[in-house]
Amino acid sequence: EAGVTQFPSHSVIEKGQTVTLRCDPISGHDNLYWYRRVMGKEIKFLLHFVKESKQDESGMPNNRFLAERTGGTYSTLKVQPAELEDSGVYFCASSRTDFQETQYFGPGTRLLVL
Amino acid sequence: AQKVTQAQTEISVVEKEDVTLDCVYETRDTTYYLFWYKQPPSGELVFLIRRNSFDEQNEISGRYSWNFQKSTSSFNFTITASQVVDSAVYFCALSEPSSNTGKLIFGQGTTLQVKP
Repeated sequence: EAGVTQFPSHSVIEKGQTVTLRCDPISGHDNLYWYRRVMGKEIKFLLHFVKESKQDESGMPNNRFLAERTGGTYSTLKVQPAELEDSGVYFCASSRTDFQETQYFGPGTRLLVL
Repeated sequence: AQKVTQAQTEISVVEKEDVTLDCVYETRDTTYYLFWYKQPPSGELVFLIRRNSFDEQNEISGRYSWNFQKSTSSFNFTITASQVVDSAVYFCALSEPSSNTGKLIFGQGTTLQVKP
């Protein structure tokens, strides 16, 4: 069974540009989560999808961040326009049906905004 | 408010030493789940263990063991006879069913360096 995959693995962009991150969860997993780790700090929750619906987006920093999960499969996280403080590692995780089941993480996307 | 604290930022040991990584959590809920994840140098987060609040039995898996104590709100992780491959960042995390979401609340992480 394939694990959670994320693309790209790295992205370097300039302030003001747009970047789109993609996450493919484990097949059959209803729950998809986005997290972010800014350098040296804890991993913070961004949002949670159940299938194609947003269950909780309380962690989204501001309206420059837009997440979608069309069709309940893969998800995208777009940052537009990117700011310096958006730099960090963006992790995606998925779990089966129950919210409290184990979340399996992808390798992360390292975003650097210059 | 819910919170996870990993007070040890970095730990350095010599191979074959035992090492304990501390995790203290705060929650108002009686039902909750605790997790440990490992982040090796390659960067991915690897699931190690999930424990619910009603199961206080300690768990052992090979060289890894976990000590869950509700009285002190702690969920500590011990590696016995550490190896160089254990070098990684280790994260403790909490989730609360009452939040109606599975979001994980992470500690700051503990960087473990095992020297040969």
